[in-house]
Amino acid sequence: GNSVTQMEGPVTLSEEAFLTINCTYTATGYPSLFWYVQYPGEGLQLLLKATKADDKGSNKGFEATYRKETTSFHLEKGSVQVSDSAVYFCALTPGTASKLTFGTGTRLQVTL
Amino acid sequence: EAGVTQFPSHSVIEKGQTVTLRCDPISGHDNLYWYRRVMGKEIKFLLHFVKESKQDESGMPNNRFLAERTGGTYSTLKVQPAELEDSGVYFCASSQALGSTEAFFGQGTRLTVV
Repeated sequence: GNSVTQMEGPVTLSEEAFLTINCTYTATGYPSLFWYVQYPGEGLQLLLKATKADDKGSNKGFEATYRKETTSFHLEKGSVQVSDSAVYFCALTPGTASKLTFGTGTRLQVTL
Repeated sequence: EAGVTQFPSHSVIEKGQTVTLRCDPISGHDNLYWYRRVMGKEIKFLLHFVKESKQDESGMPNNRFLAERTGGTYSTLKVQPAELEDSGVYFCASSQALGSTEAFFGQGTRLTVV
């Protein structure tokens, strides 16, 4: 079956530090990959996505590249802000209009 | 355009009671999903509606859970009777009918069974 593994948190960084949250997946075929974010007190929001190998998703300074050879979709940001503090979820879906398989989530805490 | 809305935002009930969660998807979205996150673990799929029909209910934990989608619009998820292990955050999501890889999520309902 499909599965997503992401690094355990919490991750605590100082403002302007570089962020990497690792995500690897197991899936048959060619899944679409996503990063969702949940800010405190809010629902899940799509942060970025990639639908085929070597695609790079980007949004709000965050980036992730779909690496089929390593089955990875690591999330990166060059300079984090306090406002980036949230829980980040890596996820995949095997196709369109299909259910998502999520990782466990990684809590990011950014301090001044 | 209104997003996915869920009611209530929080619910605290005693073991053995019944609770009904409601989800209003984005207008025009045929696909509606229920997910659950228990105790800080991964978000797990519960079921998927296409319009009023259950497309996939493989994630429903047991027969204490009943989901409906009246007329293909809003959906309800009823837990009867609730058990302690049902506590968690229940998310609803919706997506368009064809060619869509993006699901839009509601804010979730935090259910606490005591």
